[in-house]
This record gives sequence, C-alpha cells and structure tokens, in this order.
Amino acid sequence: DGGITQSPKYLFRKEGQNVTLSCEQNLNHDAMYWYRQDPGQGLRLIYYSQIVNDFQKGDIAEGYSVSREKKESFPLTVTSAQKNPTAFYLCASSIVAGVSNEQFFGPGTRLTVL
Amino acid sequence: EDQVTQSPEALRLQEGESSSLNCSYTVSGLRGLFWYRQDPGKGPEFLFTLYSAGEEKEKERLKATLTKKESFLHITAPKPEDSATYLCAVHQQGAQKLVFGQGTRLTINP
Repeated sequence: DGGITQSPKYLFRKEGQNVTLSCEQNLNHDAMYWYRQDPGQGLRLIYYSQIVNDFQKGDIAEGYSVSREKKESFPLTVTSAQKNPTAFYLCASSIVAGVSNEQFFGPGTRLTVL
Repeated sequence: EDQVTQSPEALRLQEGESSSLNCSYTVSGLRGLFWYRQDPGKGPEFLFTLYSAGEEKEKERLKATLTKKESFLHITAPKPEDSATYLCAVHQQGAQKLVFGQGTRLTINP
C-alpha cells in the first residue's frame, strides 16, 4: 500500500532534550512537508522540501531542523531551542511543490514535553 | 496578509439535517483550494481540490463549491460517521505553501 508513515505515534521529551520524528513515504512524491497543529489553530508549516538535499523554512522554523538525504524520508528534529514543543506534528507529501497538487498526510506524532 | 477563515467554528446537527460549512479566503491569485477531513488524533484526509470559480466536486454526501471569495462544503443528510473536523486550505499563485483555516468541528447526533 502506498502512503506516508510517521513514527513514533506518541513521544515524550524531557526539558533540554532533542528528539527526532520520522516521516517516510512510498508515493514517489518529490515534495515533503512538516506541520505543527495546536488545539484551536490551523496547521502551521515548519519546513518543506521540494527535492533531495534541499529544504526551506516555513512559518515557524525556529527550534526545528530537518534533513532530506533520501527522496522517501524527511525527518524532523525538535531541538531544545524550541520553547513550546508540545503539539501534534504532521508530515505530508505532494507530487511537486508549487504546483497545486494536493498534499497527503501521515497519521501524525503527538509530542509531549514532561 | 493572506487569510483563510472557516465558519462556524463548531456545528452540531441531527442525523439527516443538511447544512453547509464556509471557507472564505483573501489571496491574490488562487491556484487551488483544498478540503480535508480530520478525525481526532489522526492526520487530515484529502477530500477535494477546486481550482476555479464555479467549479463543484461531489463525494457521497459532500459537495464542495467555489466562488471568487469563498468555498462551501455542503453536507446532505449527514450520518454520525460524518462527524469530524473539516479543514480548508488555499494555494496562492507564486507561493510554495498552503495556508490552512482553523477548521470546523462537525458533530452529527443520531
């Protein structure tokens, strides 16, 4: 089955720790995205990548980092510099960024800071 | 600033009671408008893409329409399983990203 997988489903972080969220897709999509969702707010874009080895900051990139070494994978690291990281994180992909193709989402990772 | 506003924030209907959700947008040059359904604790599920005013798309009990300033998601004779949050997003010409509204939380009571 083609799709997007995210792991883990739930993640707990202590203050001062970096954590990495995994996102993998087998849809052969070029573009991948990371969003953050907080209660009562829309999805906010953290980072996106249109092609391997290239990525751009979204609206709320501070305290986050990404890499895109393979077309299928786009991991997100939440660093200790992110002051309020507790949220629901969503990964998405689309055929090509910038062309109005629909984005398809993974099941999400819920991150909680202890 | 580009904005996407959804209304109402929450809507509670009885099973079989038809209604509409609204998504109004202020972008210069719409490239596409997207509707998604999101169940609690899950990722959004793609429903429709609309590209130009006057366009309509249908899927089961849902129909999406588009004008130059807003989109409606009409739900006809809804069932309890239609309960979810419905998100809309717009893609502006020249932009690389989608702008999402805050969603409408729809509850259908049996």
